Amino acid sequence: EDKVVQSPLSLVVHEGDTVTLNCSYEVTNFRSLLWYKQEKKAPTFLFMLTSSGIEKKSGRLSSILDKKELFSILNITATQTGDSAIYLCVFLAGFGNEKLTFGTGTRLTIIP
Amino acid sequence: NAGVMQNPRHLVRRRGQEARLRCSPMKGHSHVYWYRQLPEEGLKFMVYLQKENIIDESGMPKERFSAEFPKEGPSILRIQQVVRGDSAAYFCASSPGRGYEQYFGPGTRLTVT
Repeated sequence: EDKVVQSPLSLVVHEGDTVTLNCSYEVTNFRSLLWYKQEKKAPTFLFMLTSSGIEKKSGRLSSILDKKELFSILNITATQTGDSAIYLCVFLAGFGNEKLTFGTGTRLTIIP
Repeated sequence: NAGVMQNPRHLVRRRGQEARLRCSPMKGHSHVYWYRQLPEEGLKFMVYLQKENIIDESGMPKERFSAEFPKEGPSILRIQQVVRGDSAAYFCASSPGRGYEQYFGPGTRLTVT
């Protein structure tokens, strides 16, 4: 069974800190790994990673994928209270299987 | 460009009634996905549809649940004879094609009393 595991499950930091969220996966037919941010509503798309070693960046957020070691990280620099959310690592399987498989999520809390 | 739209946002049904949840995908998207999030759990895939076709319904309960995405109009997730265990947030997502990122709607929170 495909598995996506995130760590830590929960993280509390002060505003301005830098955080690194981890995601490891064991899947049979890998196509892409996605990161979403979920506040009290729908998940918001952040990144889609398909190739190893290529960093994707959007403002203070960045992410990279290692297909050999089967993991990805999401970095957030200079954190703000608005970054408080659950961050979801999500796996998209190979062609013919379009469903997203969600990881456990990391609950990030930023203290002012 | 409007995002994925879902309605109603909140729905209360008594046990045994029917629930109809609607989803309008983003403009230009012809692929729709439904996910369910039970209290204190992660999102779980239910069904994937393209216009007029169900492509993958492997996550949908075999009884009482059905989905459609007609040629005209929104996608509909229908739950017949609801039970308390159906209480959850139901999210719809859309994408422009296979292998693309999926964009989520705000969800419908179903409460069965």
